[in-house]
Amino acid sequence: GEDVEQSLFLSVREGDSSVINCTYTDSSSTYLYWYKQEPGAGLQLLTYIFSNMDMKQDQRLTVLLNKKDKHLSLRIADTQTGDSAIYFCADQISGTYKYIFGTGTRLKVLA
Amino acid sequence: GAGVSQSPSNKVTEKGKDVELRCDPISGHTALYWYRQRLGQGLEFLIYFQGNSAPDKSGLPSDRFSAERTGESVSTLTIQRTQQEDSAVYLCASSLSGGELFFGEGSRLTVL
Repeated sequence: GEDVEQSLFLSVREGDSSVINCTYTDSSSTYLYWYKQEPGAGLQLLTYIFSNMDMKQDQRLTVLLNKKDKHLSLRIADTQTGDSAIYFCADQISGTYKYIFGTGTRLKVLA
Repeated sequence: GAGVSQSPSNKVTEKGKDVELRCDPISGHTALYWYRQRLGQGLEFLIYFQGNSAPDKSGLPSDRFSAERTGESVSTLTIQRTQQEDSAVYLCASSLSGGELFFGEGSRLTVL
């Protein structure tokens, strides 16, 4: 079945860039998403990318998609302590309304 | 309502009891999803509804788990004869028709 993989932890210093990586197996993804989960809260959509795009930029966030390698990354520029959270990559299975989430990457920002 | 509402927010139960978790999606959202999040782990897909029907129930862990949705609105996730491994946060989300998922804050279930 479809699968989405992420590394579990990332630690960066405040002001540095963070890069969170994700790989997926679905060969016909249409949309890929990044969600953020703050402690004790539900997930909130950060950004998404359509599968025919290579890159999408939204303020401090840059999403890169390598469709050939099925690799997605989220870059956060000038990382702040408020960015500390769990970041989930999600794949919408083409032709369905089903979403598969990765394990989440816990980002810790050190002051 | 303004957002996805889940109840109860916390539930502590004894092993073997049945529990019901409720989700009120955003009004007008046709798709509704249940996910399970165990401590320190990612989201595990359980089931999703399109309207009142469930095209994909493949994520339900066992026949102790069931879910229903009525009136293209409220959904109930029922866990019968709870086990300790059922302890987790159960997250509900809704969407218009694909696209962004709007999540509730979850129901934390603890089975003693």
